Amino acid sequence: DTAVSQTPKYLVTQMGNDKSIKCEQNLGHDTMYWYKQDSKKFLKIMFSYNNKELIINETVPNRFSPKSPDKAHLNLHINSLELGDSAVYFCASSPPSGGGHEQYFGPGTRLTVT
Amino acid sequence: AQSVTQLDSQVPVFEEAPVELRCNYSSSVSVYLFWYVQYPNQGLQLLLKYLSGSTLVKGINGFEAEFNKSQTSFHLRKPSVHISDTAEYFCAVKGTGGFKTIFGAGTRLFVKA
Repeated sequence: DTAVSQTPKYLVTQMGNDKSIKCEQNLGHDTMYWYKQDSKKFLKIMFSYNNKELIINETVPNRFSPKSPDKAHLNLHINSLELGDSAVYFCASSPPSGGGHEQYFGPGTRLTVT
Repeated sequence: AQSVTQLDSQVPVFEEAPVELRCNYSSSVSVYLFWYVQYPNQGLQLLLKYLSGSTLVKGINGFEAEFNKSQTSFHLRKPSVHISDTAEYFCAVKGTGGFKTIFGAGTRLFVKA
């Protein structure tokens, strides 16, 4: 009965490779997010989708491409991985407007680029 | 636009002592305020939130926070901490009309026996 799930939990890959991280939420929320947390725990918003529409697109390299096939899923594809992409990536969701405004986070995907 | 400043990067405290984690924000519009906790190797989870109404907000695990509009602060407090409270704590702000939540840099609470 996991609310927000991410796969994989750990991802170790080499520079130049392409990888994807998947996120699913079963809370019935209509807004989903991707965050990047660096080694100093700083949390930075990358993207947000509302009802499958991109609503937040921060200054993120074009190598990062989100895809939302439906309201319950938000995937992140990363091309040509670089050392600086090493971080923990969190997916989150939040209820429709008029709801609590808080976010529900997944367990994170630790990406290590060697 | 909003911003959040967590005034302490680390707070060491002895078990059963009180603690206060400080958070200041700036915004040109009305805001919602949140505190999240992140235990090691886990995602963030909501501790408490201020949307409107009473400025003293109670959350899970015995934590509470007070919204002070004049000082633009939302400090988190607990009267007696446990070893299990050791974690990273994030203050966050969201404009009432927006989608984006801005997180502070985090405060690491370290509870010592």
